[in-house]
Parts: sequence; structure tokens; C-alpha cells
Amino acid sequence: RKEVEQDPGPFNVPEGATVAFNCTYSNSASQSFFWYRQDCRKEPKLLMSVYSSGNEDGRFTAQLNRASQYISLLIRDSKLSDSATYLCVVNTMAGNTPLVFGKGTRLSVIA
Amino acid sequence: ETGVTQTPRHLVMGMTNKKSLKCEQHLGHNAMYWYKQSAKKPLELMFVYSLEERVENNSVPSRFSPECPNSSHLFLHLHTLQPEDSALYLCASSQGTRGHGELFFGEGSRLTVL
Repeated sequence: RKEVEQDPGPFNVPEGATVAFNCTYSNSASQSFFWYRQDCRKEPKLLMSVYSSGNEDGRFTAQLNRASQYISLLIRDSKLSDSATYLCVVNTMAGNTPLVFGKGTRLSVIA
Repeated sequence: ETGVTQTPRHLVMGMTNKKSLKCEQHLGHNAMYWYKQSAKKPLELMFVYSLEERVENNSVPSRFSPECPNSSHLFLHLHTLQPEDSALYLCASSQGTRGHGELFFGEGSRLTVL
């Protein structure tokens, strides 16, 4: 099992739709989790951290399920500007540099 | 002025050339990284420097040689590359390396090896 797995997509959704991505991780000792966003031909940028209790930032909600070892990102009322690749990042707590990136899930929001 | 700047943004080189990628961070961070991003693959960590000391070298071929002269600058020296080394090379910085702080990325240097 890969350390961090994501469905690559693409997810093609109409404006206004709600879309959810999941990300699974293999190391049960992992402690912190993040979603990064990467626009086409741009660098990744932190979208939000994922807390144990779940957290919300506007239209974005992130949740953590430790028992099943996955995190999720929910986007409500999708905008055209949400089109990007969403990278799941897990702090595995292993080694000197424990952050592991998933391959990313591509989202296209269509007018 | 952006937090992490990389030059050049695009580079085309032959397999016998020697070139260097440069990264500069203006955020006062103490850790800097080189990542490689290839199509359909996750970001691959190449090198990490913490307080100018290399703390990670993920079995990267010796044709890639990093240099960190101070906490604000990071270089990646390239020599005798292969076509499969063509990728986007991303520099990042953070405060600490234990994965608790946000990574700030530069815009990347897109490398094509002919």
C-alpha cells in the first residue's frame, strides 16, 4: 500500500456543485495532515490543515478519520476558480523529513 | 517581493551541459528543500537543509549536487543529466523540518534535458 493515496481524477463538476475528495494514508502513527492546492503550472500552496475535530474554512471542510486512516476535503458551491489539483500531505512522523505528498486529485469546475 | 524565488524559471540543457538552479527565500526560515515533480508522480523530496546542514538526501543520483551557502540561499547544480531528469524542480522553505510548519514553495524551475 502506498504511503499516501489519492484518486487522481479528474473530477469534472458544474459550478455550484458539492464535491468531495478522499485521501488514505498507510502509517497509523501519522500525526498531522494538510491539503495543498496546486494551480496549473504553478507551485503548491497550503489550503488548510486538517484537525482531529475537523475544520471548516468558508466553502471548504476538512475531516480526519483516524480509525479508517483517511482524510477528506469537501468543497461546497464550487467556483470556476476552484479548478486545480488538490494535494494530500501527511506528516508520517518518520525520519528526518516526514512529510509525504499524494499524487493529487485534479478538479475541473465547468460553467 | 515573493517569499521564495527561483531562477531560472525555464531551462533547456543538453546531457553534457553543466547548469545550476537557484533558490532564495525571504521568509526568515531555517529549512530549505528541493523537490522534483514529474507528470503523474507525487512530489519527490530530493534534499533538505536545516540550518545550512544537509539532513536528507533521498538516494538522489550524484549528477544532482545541492549547495546551501546560507539559510536564505539554495542551489542545485546539474551535471550530465539524462532525459528522464526533465521535470519541474521546486524549492521550498519552512520553519523547522519536522513537518509541523507550512511549506512555502517557489514557482519552480522547469527543466528539459535533450
